[in-house]
Amino acid sequence: GAVVSQHPSRVICKSGTSVKIECRSLDFQATTMFWYRQFPKQSLMLMATSNEGSKATYEQGVEKDKFLINHASLTLSTLTVTSAHPEDSSFYICSARDIGGQGEKLFFGSGTQLSVL
Amino acid sequence: LAKTTQPISMDSYEGQEVNITCSHNNIATNDYITWYQQFPSQGPRFIIQGYKTKVTNEVASLFIPADRKSSTLSLPRVSLSDTAVYYCLVGSYNQGGKLIFGQGTELSVKP
Repeated sequence: GAVVSQHPSRVICKSGTSVKIECRSLDFQATTMFWYRQFPKQSLMLMATSNEGSKATYEQGVEKDKFLINHASLTLSTLTVTSAHPEDSSFYICSARDIGGQGEKLFFGSGTQLSVL
Repeated sequence: LAKTTQPISMDSYEGQEVNITCSHNNIATNDYITWYQQFPSQGPRFIIQGYKTKVTNEVASLFIPADRKSSTLSLPRVSLSDTAVYYCLVGSYNQGGKLIFGQGTELSVKP
C-alpha cells in the first residue's frame, strides 16, 4: 500500500516556541492531505484539509493562525504549531488520499507526539 | 457526512472470530465504507474497504447488506496482537475525501 512518512515522531518544546511537523507521501502524489489531532483515549479529530497550491481549509474551532499549514508540493504538507502552549500537547497525525485507487482510501503517517512544557 | 456508530468496546479470546458491526444509516450513494486499525501512539492502518456485498482480503472480511446502512468487519482467529481500536469510516470523493472518525471500537483480545 501507499506510504505516508511523518516527522518527527516525537517532539518536546518550551512554551512559546513553534514546532513544524512534516508529512510526505513517498510513493504517490497527494493533492489533498489531512491533519488530525488525538488526545489520549479519544478518537481522531480532523483539524484541517491541506490542498496543494492553495490555502488549507480548517474545521470549525481550529485556529488557522495557530496551526499553519503549507502544502507546497504534491508530496509534502507541513503543520506548524505556532507559539505552542501546554494545551497544544497532543498526538498529531497526517493522512493523504491516494487518488489512484478506488473509493475513499486514506493512508496515515505514524503520528507526532507533541509535548509542550 | 455519514455518521457512524460502533460498540465502544469488545472482548475476545485468542483464536476466536470477531465481528464488529458499524451502523451508518445516512450513507450516501457514492460513499465507500472503510475500516482502520489503530494501535496506541501510531497512525491508523488501512484494513479493508468496500462498497456493497462482501469483500475479503488477507486479514479481514467486510460484509455489507443490500441497504448499506450497516457493515460488519470480521476478523478470523484473532491473536493478542489484534488488540487495538477499530474505526469504521464512510465517505466518497464527492466530499473531497474528508473522513470523520467516530468513537471506534476498542477490541481487547485475551489469552
